[in-house]
Amino acid sequence: DAKTTQPTSMDCAEGRAANLPCNHSTISGNEYVYWYRQIHSQGPQYIIHGLKNNETNEMASLIITEDRKSSTLILPHATLRDTAVYYCIVTRGSNYKLTFGKGTLLTVNP
Amino acid sequence: DTAVSQTPKYLVTQMGNDKSIKCEQNLGHDTMYWYKQDSKKFLKIMFSYNNKELIINETVPNRFSPKSPDKAHLNLHINSLELGDSAVYFCASSQWDRVGEKLFFGSGTQLSVL
Repeated sequence: DAKTTQPTSMDCAEGRAANLPCNHSTISGNEYVYWYRQIHSQGPQYIIHGLKNNETNEMASLIITEDRKSSTLILPHATLRDTAVYYCIVTRGSNYKLTFGKGTLLTVNP
Repeated sequence: DTAVSQTPKYLVTQMGNDKSIKCEQNLGHDTMYWYKQDSKKFLKIMFSYNNKELIINETVPNRFSPKSPDKAHLNLHINSLELGDSAVYFCASSQWDRVGEKLFFGSGTQLSVL
């Protein structure tokens, strides 16, 4: 699976959009970009994933660049409950290891 | 209803003891996992089972033995516990479909070996 690079930490004001970047320059054509988050003392939670196209669901939007070497997770209106570590993972999926890196600690401030 | 449940939530035990952590999922998924999160917060896969068959076995000491009596359950048995086994252990399940795979995690079991 391709390696990912994320900032260690980010801050965001409550109610504003949180944009979390991820670099995955060695991604291959059959690898998906997944985002999970882990709120303190809880298990990781799936957020969204995509292959080539931008994706949106009730939690977030995923913007993947045309060359697929980077992506951005967007939380449109961050709340205090969105404070968590966000993991960007690139994987071929089923039956392959989902490898979690260090992630980005997003702190949403009041 | 909790999708992936694991018990116990906390486990405190002495070195050398044998302990088990149980995991059950009611999502009808075919694949289940055990992950370990150490004190530095790195989350590492340990095992993966698909329809009761072991498909991923990372470099984990033989003291760790997963057992899947059916596809809804994946238990983790640990023999001769060591101090370094102290960590949070997460169970997860997943299903692959045409749009990809999503993992659903349990709330974790915090194991403290004294």
